[in-house]
Amino acid sequence: QVQLQESGPALVKPSETLSLTCTVSDDSMKTYYWGWIRQAPGKGLEWIGYVYYSGSTNYNPSLGGRLTISVATSMQQFSLRLTSVTAADTAVYYCARLVGPTTGFDSWGQGALVTVSS
Amino acid sequence: DIQLTQSPSFLSASVGDRVTITCRASQAIRGFLAWYQQKPGRAPKLLISAASTLQSGVPSRFSGSGFGTEFTLTISGLQPEDSATYYCQLLNTSPLPFGGGTKLEIK
Repeated sequence: QVQLQESGPALVKPSETLSLTCTVSDDSMKTYYWGWIRQAPGKGLEWIGYVYYSGSTNYNPSLGGRLTISVATSMQQFSLRLTSVTAADTAVYYCARLVGPTTGFDSWGQGALVTVSS
Repeated sequence: DIQLTQSPSFLSASVGDRVTITCRASQAIRGFLAWYQQKPGRAPKLLISAASTLQSGVPSRFSGSGFGTEFTLTISGLQPEDSATYYCQLLNTSPLPFGGGTKLEIK
């Protein structure tokens, strides 16, 4: 059973960059897609984007050009970078494994709360 | 972009009941739909993929169906541990939106 773990700063100042890393417990990164989902306090789930081990990505257009998701398979990690954050980016950020584009996210990290505040 | 609308947003039912949650797409999709269960303070759990494929380890009282624009998640024989919020998600496209969620309360 693969384990995923998010890590990164819990507090980010407005206009700065939010950076999170997800560490994958096994060496399956070249088999699956790897994604990020967030959930604002008391709200529903919002898909952020995903990356394939090759580096190809699929992003939520609502995040405009602020988003970068990258992968480092040798380190069994993938990362999220969101620039120019505002209070609206305050959320629990989950990393998750996508078995394939038609199957859904079948393994999730426990989530990391990131608060945007000065 | 395709939008997903879930209904109802809140549902209260008793142990043993059969409940149905609906997810409607703004245009026809080819069954590329997943259902998740989320309990408070926990990450979501994938229940069903491809509209009707039950994930390994998920109790058989959960089932999914649908085609085109209307999809349903049915729980037959509610158990106390089914109290949670349920989300649908569109797959195989971009973006991959989630429905707004259905909070299920067990009386």
